[in-house]
Amino acid sequence: SQQGEEDPQALSIQEGENATMNCSYKTSINNLQWYRQNSGRGLVHLILIRSNEREKHSGRLRVTLDTSKKSSSLLITASRAADTASYFCATDGSNYQLIWGAGTKLIIKP
Amino acid sequence: NAGVTQTPKFQVLKTGQSMTLQCAQDMNHNSMYWYRQDPGMGLRLIYYSASEGTTDKGEVPNGYNVSRLNKREFSLRLESAAPSQTSVYFCASSLLTGPNYGYTFGSGTRLTVV
Repeated sequence: SQQGEEDPQALSIQEGENATMNCSYKTSINNLQWYRQNSGRGLVHLILIRSNEREKHSGRLRVTLDTSKKSSSLLITASRAADTASYFCATDGSNYQLIWGAGTKLIIKP
Repeated sequence: NAGVTQTPKFQVLKTGQSMTLQCAQDMNHNSMYWYRQDPGMGLRLIYYSASEGTTDKGEVPNGYNVSRLNKREFSLRLESAAPSQTSVYFCASSLLTGPNYGYTFGSGTRLTVV
């Protein structure tokens, strides 16, 4: 079962542009996490945002959380070729486990 | 500092064969997980171990068994492989179980069952 659903499924932008992807979820959460997966590799943890936080930054990454709309966004500023990857959100599930969305595939064109 | 190490990286099995996927972490994490990833889908939890000595079923446990050998190692066994088990398998670990902790993932095992 999927709690988080990313949007769009795929995104292609020019290097240097900003990339925004969204995650919507269905039930109330404690935290929401974003991960990156480069092709053929494992997932890498990017940011964890708690339900009482509205915004969080890490380098070129900015994550927002709107619990009233049950949605989160991940903004990558000044994109680089190395940002080409799939991005996943994960939220609370039953038994304290994470539930994962299907991901947004981001392609940065040179 | 290796993080989470999975072996093997690739495997082809014939239907009905068995195999064990190995996972080890060196971060002194308490919790470990096995996921499968299929095209167009998010990760699906197969089994997890909240702490040494405990294992629990996840969303898709049928056809799999696990062993938490010690705090470092968590193996996944396919007793009789089926084509539906063709997937990429990821092992992950976290300091403690629950949504408050980020997960560290291995690089995956790409399994094909023919």
